[in-house]
Amino acid sequence: GAVVSQHPSWVICKSGTSVKIECRSLDFQATTMFWYRQFPKQSLMLMATSNEGSKATYEQGVEKDKFLINHASLTLSTLTVTSAHPEDSSFYICSARDTLLYNEQFFGPGTRLTVL
Amino acid sequence: DAKTTQPNSMESNEEEPVHLPCNHSTISGTDYIHWYRQLPSQGPEYVIHGLTSNVNNRMASLAIAEDRKSSTLILHRATLRDAAVYYCILRDGNSGYALNFGKGTSLLVTP
Repeated sequence: GAVVSQHPSWVICKSGTSVKIECRSLDFQATTMFWYRQFPKQSLMLMATSNEGSKATYEQGVEKDKFLINHASLTLSTLTVTSAHPEDSSFYICSARDTLLYNEQFFGPGTRLTVL
Repeated sequence: DAKTTQPNSMESNEEEPVHLPCNHSTISGTDYIHWYRQLPSQGPEYVIHGLTSNVNNRMASLAIAEDRKSSTLILHRATLRDAAVYYCILRDGNSGYALNFGKGTSLLVTP
């Protein structure tokens, strides 16, 4: 099946720094990628939809200036958490839509962000 | 988005079949029914999806009620590796591909 990778798998940073998370579709092209956030013992919350070559669409309540999303190629989307604070500590998960199997999304393994 | 209702948790014995129910009484005609599962500290994994007809794949079967107001994910022989949170999600085929996750059902499989 289609594989989506994320890097890094975990990161610890100091408050006020920025962190970039990469999401790659390894064996398929993805015109659309999605970013989710998951707090402990909670469900996934959609943060934004990223379309290749255009601006991301953010869900209500998600600050676009804080969570910068770039989808510059058909296999790579990045999420940058700017000026991270402890409340941004969470599990960040991306998914990619396979343009051939357009009803299926494939998820990455997630990135655990801890802000001290 | 149309909402789904799932039991918070279910328990099954290993090698027994498991029927995971999902109610979606407000489903619209263009809503696809998707099932994903998530193991601890991992991203969700696609299980199966359907629109109107029952579906089978190597992982599971999806039984959709005739009025589409409910569906059941069937794991034919549960294994310990099937212990996960199972999410039933409706996706409008006309309005994009984002998935809105509910709370899901936590499946415990006991040996």
